[in-house]
Amino acid sequence: DTGVSQDPRHKITKRGQNVTFRCDPISEHNRLYWYRQTLGQGPEFLTYFQNEAQLEKSRLLSDRFSAERPKGSFSTLEIQRTEQGDSAMYLCASSLAEGEAFFGQGTRLTVV
Amino acid sequence: GENVEQHPSTLSVQEGDSAVIKCTYSDSASNYFPWYKQELGKRPQLIIDIRSNVGEKKDQRIAVTLNKTAKHFSLHITETQPEDSAVYFCAPITSGTYKYIFGTGTRLKVLA
Repeated sequence: DTGVSQDPRHKITKRGQNVTFRCDPISEHNRLYWYRQTLGQGPEFLTYFQNEAQLEKSRLLSDRFSAERPKGSFSTLEIQRTEQGDSAMYLCASSLAEGEAFFGQGTRLTVV
Repeated sequence: GENVEQHPSTLSVQEGDSAVIKCTYSDSASNYFPWYKQELGKRPQLIIDIRSNVGEKKDQRIAVTLNKTAKHFSLHITETQPEDSAVYFCAPITSGTYKYIFGTGTRLKVLA
């Protein structure tokens, strides 16, 4: 499969625990995006990278959220001290320049 | 980009009729205008896009029209079929930021 892949597909965690998600973009794509989507809403922008540089992080994102793309390939999104409000689908997407963004299947996080 | 609104939020049409969804954006520097389709439980996928130097683009039953002066673009689906039922998102992007800001979404139901 040469598309965007995300791991894990599902994660259930207890409130207060830390979680980390991984995204592997399409190999030649230099841009990588993280979005969060809750039921009935559109994808909400979290952050994006061009190669290894994190170019923007949403002002809505608390300090508990951090993302990295150390070698300009895969990326990780970490949420520390999870809260019930963090429960959502976390979507990763990649693109080349100003073109189509290809989405992964997402990681569904449930905080109990 | 930035403030992005879609109308209507829900739309029901009879099979074979046409559907039109409008996307209004606030950033006059936006220059790439995609439409994404998201079926229930699946990832968003691009269905059509247009760039700012073009006023209209058509791909079989789907078309997109752009009015840069008024800062809106619209998705047109003709001869609708039940498989067109999904949520549709616009996600205009601004050159230089490369950040896709998704609209509020339109749930289309095609009644057989």
